[in-house]
Amino acid sequence: GQSLEQPSEVTAVEGAIVQINCTYQTSGFYGLSWYQQHDGGAPTFLSYNALDGLEETGRFSSFLSRSDSYGYLLLQELQMKDSASYFCAVSRSDSWGKLQFGAGTQVVVTP
Amino acid sequence: GAVVSQHPSWVICKSGTSVKIECRSLDFQATTMFWYRQFPKQSLMLMATSNEGSKATYEQGVEKDKFLINHASLTLSTLTVTSAHPEDSSFYICSAREGGTTAEQYFGPGTRLTVT
Repeated sequence: GQSLEQPSEVTAVEGAIVQINCTYQTSGFYGLSWYQQHDGGAPTFLSYNALDGLEETGRFSSFLSRSDSYGYLLLQELQMKDSASYFCAVSRSDSWGKLQFGAGTQVVVTP
Repeated sequence: GAVVSQHPSWVICKSGTSVKIECRSLDFQATTMFWYRQFPKQSLMLMATSNEGSKATYEQGVEKDKFLINHASLTLSTLTVTSAHPEDSSFYICSAREGGTTAEQYFGPGTRLTVT
């Protein structure tokens, strides 16, 4: 079957670093994406990994290990505005454009 | 950046009526559009995939006769919830892809549907 697991909630203080892990069991895995969604808002794209390694985009970085079926999103220098839900999503080679989303991780940033 | 709009942003309707939701890509041509449903504090569940000019592909468990999808042009897809019932109340979100090798999907702001 297909499954995605990520923690339900993470709390951290401003300026801290948070790592959100995502493990998956997906046949025909193609790539792992990360999206941010604020309450009542639309998901916005953060990053995508198809190959092993680290992708860095400003304060956010994403990592993928295909052999471990594992990835993570790293949020550095946390700001209050980073309080949101973060979803990992997998795409498969047989349905490349489609995304299967994880349950989401609620990140709460405190002063 | 690429912008996707949805209309209406919220709608209240009575049981048994139908509601149409529009999804538009404003500054790019979307070869593929997706429709998702999201319950409060939950994940996005893909309902269907639509490609311009062809029939939508529905995910398992989604009633295609209840959720009618039309992708009439490269910038417009519509979702019609037919004979709506209270259990259809949800947040409906569309997304669009430009095509090519990019994995990125651009999401609309969502439509909050409440069926009374």
